[in-house]
Amino acid sequence: NAGVTQTPKFRVLKTGQSMTLLCAQDMNHEYMYWYRQDPGMGLRLIHYSVGEGTTAKGEVPDGYNVSRLKKQNFLLGLESAAPSQTSVYFCASSPRRGGSYNEQFFGPGTRLTVL
Amino acid sequence: DQQVKQNSPSLSVQEGRISILNCDYTNSMFDYFLWYKKYPAEGPTFLISISSIKDKNEDGRFTVFLNKSAKHLSLHIVPSQPGDSAVYFCAASARETSGSRLTFGEGTQLTVNP
Repeated sequence: NAGVTQTPKFRVLKTGQSMTLLCAQDMNHEYMYWYRQDPGMGLRLIHYSVGEGTTAKGEVPDGYNVSRLKKQNFLLGLESAAPSQTSVYFCASSPRRGGSYNEQFFGPGTRLTVL
Repeated sequence: DQQVKQNSPSLSVQEGRISILNCDYTNSMFDYFLWYKKYPAEGPTFLISISSIKDKNEDGRFTVFLNKSAKHLSLHIVPSQPGDSAVYFCAASARETSGSRLTFGEGTQLTVNP
């Protein structure tokens, strides 16, 4: 199993450009998440999904959109990139096991620079 | 507001000694706590967790302690090894939170010197 994969690994954008980050998981997990990691700020949740066709806002959703058309894929879109969105983006997934907490499994990250 | 805080951005210890990483939280609804380890250019990986019904959980060289009254948890690594050098994130979750969402601390960079 590949686990959680992210595409691309690196990207440089100009202010105002758009792009989509792709996350794929082959573990049949119900839940998927997008985080951003910035120096001194840990991991902050952007959006998450509890199942195919459903999405919800996290802690820092502004400037981002997401879609979960297939259970195994979770897409993160930037419609008009800004320098403040320069960050490392991590996707994660976890199973749903009725009531108990489950660990999240992370992808390798996408390093995005917006000039 | 920062609900999970790791007040030490960095920690340096000698190989073979104990490493103690600390984490404080403010949300009394948190009932599950996790530690993740992150190497450069990789995603975080799960290390160890503890439920609020326990005060200690041990897994090999790693032990997590939870003090609910102080809203404090710590990760002990004994003995520390150079391969333990990484960023460690503390995370917390509340049972009723939709999607099992986690709240992360800022991270502590651990350096284990040979």
